[in-house]
Amino acid sequence: GAVVSQHPSRVICKSGTSVKIECRSLDFQATTMFWYRQFPKQSLMLMATSNEGSKATYEQGVEKDKFLINHASLTLSTLTVTSAHPEDSSFYICSARDRGTGPLIQYFGAGTRLSVL
Amino acid sequence: GDSVTQMEGPVTLSEEAFLTINCTYTATGYPSLFWYVQYPGEGLQLLLKATKADDKGSNKGFEATYRKETTSFHLEKGSVQVSDSAVYFCALTGNTGGFKTIFGAGTRLFVKA
Repeated sequence: GAVVSQHPSRVICKSGTSVKIECRSLDFQATTMFWYRQFPKQSLMLMATSNEGSKATYEQGVEKDKFLINHASLTLSTLTVTSAHPEDSSFYICSARDRGTGPLIQYFGAGTRLSVL
Repeated sequence: GDSVTQMEGPVTLSEEAFLTINCTYTATGYPSLFWYVQYPGEGLQLLLKATKADDKGSNKGFEATYRKETTSFHLEKGSVQVSDSAVYFCALTGNTGGFKTIFGAGTRLFVKA
């Protein structure tokens, strides 16, 4: 089946630094990728939708200058948490839709646990 | 807007017990419905789906039927195993507005040997 690779799986950083998370579709073309944030024991909160070659669409309440999303190719989207602070600590998950299988099926990465000290 | 409500957990069962996790939804139009499973420290995996009323999704012994009259998509399994311990998310994808997916809060399942 379709595989989405997310890297790194875990990152610890100091407050004020920036962290980049990569999301790659390994064996399919992903015209649309999604970035979610998951707080402990809670559901996934959609942060933004990114379409290849265009600007990401952010959900209400998500700071686009803090969470920079780039979807430069059909297989790669990146999320950069700029000037991270402890409240940004969370589990971030990306997902991708396969152009070939249509809009309903999402394939998820394994997630990135960010801890900001 | 669209929403998904699923039963709170955790749910604790003994091995070979019957499992039901309730899920109801509100949506405009005709959404597609999904169950995802998340094992500890991992991302979500699609467990099963149904795209129209009366469809039954099934996988790995799990089943759920799309009931439009009750706006429900309850997850069932006849005999759970320890390896089924995970968090289960009910979700819907609308057929408008960019096909966004809305997730329920998740239900944690513990299966004891």
